[in-house]
Amino acid sequence: EVQVVESGGGLVQPGGSLRLSCAASGFTFSSHWMNWVRQAPGKGLEWVANINQDGSEQYYVDSVKGRSTISRDNAKNSLYLQMNSLRAEDTAVYYCARGRTGSSGWIMDVWGQGTTVTVSS
Amino acid sequence: DIVMTQSPDSLAVSLGERATINCKSSQSVLDSSNNKNYLTWYQQKPGQPPKQLIYWASTRESGVPDRFSGSGSGTDFTLTISSLQAEDVAVYYCQQYYSTPLTFGPGTKVDIK
Repeated sequence: EVQVVESGGGLVQPGGSLRLSCAASGFTFSSHWMNWVRQAPGKGLEWVANINQDGSEQYYVDSVKGRSTISRDNAKNSLYLQMNSLRAEDTAVYYCARGRTGSSGWIMDVWGQGTTVTVSS
Repeated sequence: DIVMTQSPDSLAVSLGERATINCKSSQSVLDSSNNKNYLTWYQQKPGQPPKQLIYWASTRESGVPDRFSGSGSGTDFTLTISSLQAEDVAVYYCQQYYSTPLTFGPGTKVDIK
């Protein structure tokens, strides 16, 4: 079964750090772009970052640029999001999402159940 | 950044009737080199992650019922549910993947009348 499973969320104080993980299975992880998308409580979807198949390209939304780093370990079939200097507005469910293969790599076709990040004192 | 807007914010449709959701991008998401529109639609039910329905503006994802269809080109797009079923109650989002940052519309909530 093709799936991605997020972990690493939790309660963190403003200014703190957190590392989210996404474990992929059921597909050739190294062939796909991977994404992080977040959803604040009661709000819509916001794309956060993505990374290409070998990790040589990364893109970020401006609101996390300089504070977050997306990375991957293809040997471990895992995606990561290191988040630093966390703010209250980073509170959200964070989803890991797979990009389709080929030229449609930025189409997100498989999503995890999400992991919740709460930034509060 | 490409800004995505959707209309209406919400709609209520009787079972078996048609639901139409509009999505507009602030700039064209049509790539003239391949004549493809970089636009996708998702369905999100309460407490669940988004599920992809349509990509390339009109290509239905495998397993998605054929009552869901997408149309449009350039900056104006439509998701149509031809005969609304109870299980279609959800929020629907459009999203462009023409350029980063990838951006979503604000969502349209679909309910049963």
